[in-house]
Amino acid sequence: AQTVTQSQPEMSVQEAETVTLSCTYDTSENNYYLFWYKQPPSRQMILVIRQEAYKQQNATENRFSVNFQKAAKSFSLKISDSQLGDTAMYFCASLHGSSNTGKLIFGQGTTLQVKP
Amino acid sequence: KAGVTQTPRYLIKTRGQQVTLSCSPISGHRSVSWYQQTPGQGLQFLFEYFSETQRNKGNFPGRFSGRQFSNSRSEMNVSTLELGDSALYLCASSLALAGVNGELFFGEGSRLTVL
Repeated sequence: AQTVTQSQPEMSVQEAETVTLSCTYDTSENNYYLFWYKQPPSRQMILVIRQEAYKQQNATENRFSVNFQKAAKSFSLKISDSQLGDTAMYFCASLHGSSNTGKLIFGQGTTLQVKP
Repeated sequence: KAGVTQTPRYLIKTRGQQVTLSCSPISGHRSVSWYQQTPGQGLQFLFEYFSETQRNKGNFPGRFSGRQFSNSRSEMNVSTLELGDSALYLCASSLALAGVNGELFFGEGSRLTVL
């Protein structure tokens, strides 16, 4: 079964510092996507970053980058220069193959608090 | 460009009733997926619609159903409501089948409370 595990229910970081959120996943597929989504309090979920499994290069979006370790099935998110607006719940998710269209598998989420 | 619009945003129902939630995807998007979010179970996939056809379905009972119209707007219906159906229901749209491009745009959700 395809699963996504986030082992850190809560984390906090001081403003301007760097924080890393962990995620591991399990799949037998060769073709899949991995995502980090951000859900601020009472606001909609937005995509932070996406990684295609066939790409070896780690994805980067401004202050957000991932460390994709395919063999270890690990997909961590690094947030550099943390800002107060980064306070949110972060979900790691996977999408496995065209046969599972639309079906994101989400982790349980990590609540991140950025402190001033 | 307008985002994904879900209505109603909040609603309260009693056990045994039914509810219909609506989702208007981003203009031009043809795929709509639905997710249930609860504190205990997290985010769980309900179903995906593309070109008015259900393409994939999650592990939910038959009380949960949906449909998609020719303009890509989607509705989901829950009949015979149970207390455990209390949740935030999220709709997400994508340009093509979500398994092709892998990127979903979420709405703000419809928060259902069952008393």
